[in-house]
Amino acid sequence: AAGVIQSPRHLIKEKRETATLKCYPIPRHDTVYWYQQGPGQDPQFLISFYEKMQSDKGSIPDRFSAQQFSDYHSELNMSSLELGDSALYFCASSQGQSAQRIPYEQYFGPGTRLTVT
Amino acid sequence: AQTVTQSQPEMSVQEAETVTLSCTYDTSENNYYLFWYKQPPSRQMILVIRQEAYKQQNATENRFSVNFQKAAKSFSLKISDSQLGDTAMYFCAFMKVLRGNAGNMLTFGGGTRLMVKP
Repeated sequence: AAGVIQSPRHLIKEKRETATLKCYPIPRHDTVYWYQQGPGQDPQFLISFYEKMQSDKGSIPDRFSAQQFSDYHSELNMSSLELGDSALYFCASSQGQSAQRIPYEQYFGPGTRLTVT
Repeated sequence: AQTVTQSQPEMSVQEAETVTLSCTYDTSENNYYLFWYKQPPSRQMILVIRQEAYKQQNATENRFSVNFQKAAKSFSLKISDSQLGDTAMYFCAFMKVLRGNAGNMLTFGGGTRLMVKP
């Protein structure tokens, strides 16, 4: 079965540079989520999109922005990178909600490992 | 805001034995879901099991089952007949349900590192 695709898988940037992470959800999934997992930490929710509109927002720095495109893929743009941004960035996707308003489970991609030097 | 606590940073179990991982949460919501995710050394996040808060029956998936105590806000994971492939970090996660809204966030606990020994 098709899974969530994230690119690139690894990225090395220097401080103050910018980075763009891409996420391609499972076909027919219309909801995308971004999580950040620092070393030895649990994943922290950043932001989500449903049908190309921002749905929920977590602890996403102002230096970061994201959007979901018409083909449902999403991009996370990160500017003025700091050493503390080094982390594993997960994208997850799901269908929005069932007819009974039950949220569908989130399927995670393999992650993008960002290293800021 | 919701908080999720996993009080066992590390656990170990002998192959074929049973182990229980603890999770407690704090919320004022009445409608929510709880999940256990597994993160093996590959770092892939894999859904193990989910529980709807409005269901009293504990969820079961093959060797994995939960003990959901809503009043106590407790959600433990039991792994039976442990296998070497169960070695991983296990995260408990909470999701509140916002009707008419999608993209609801997961709040994770700090994780429990489980080692299955041969």
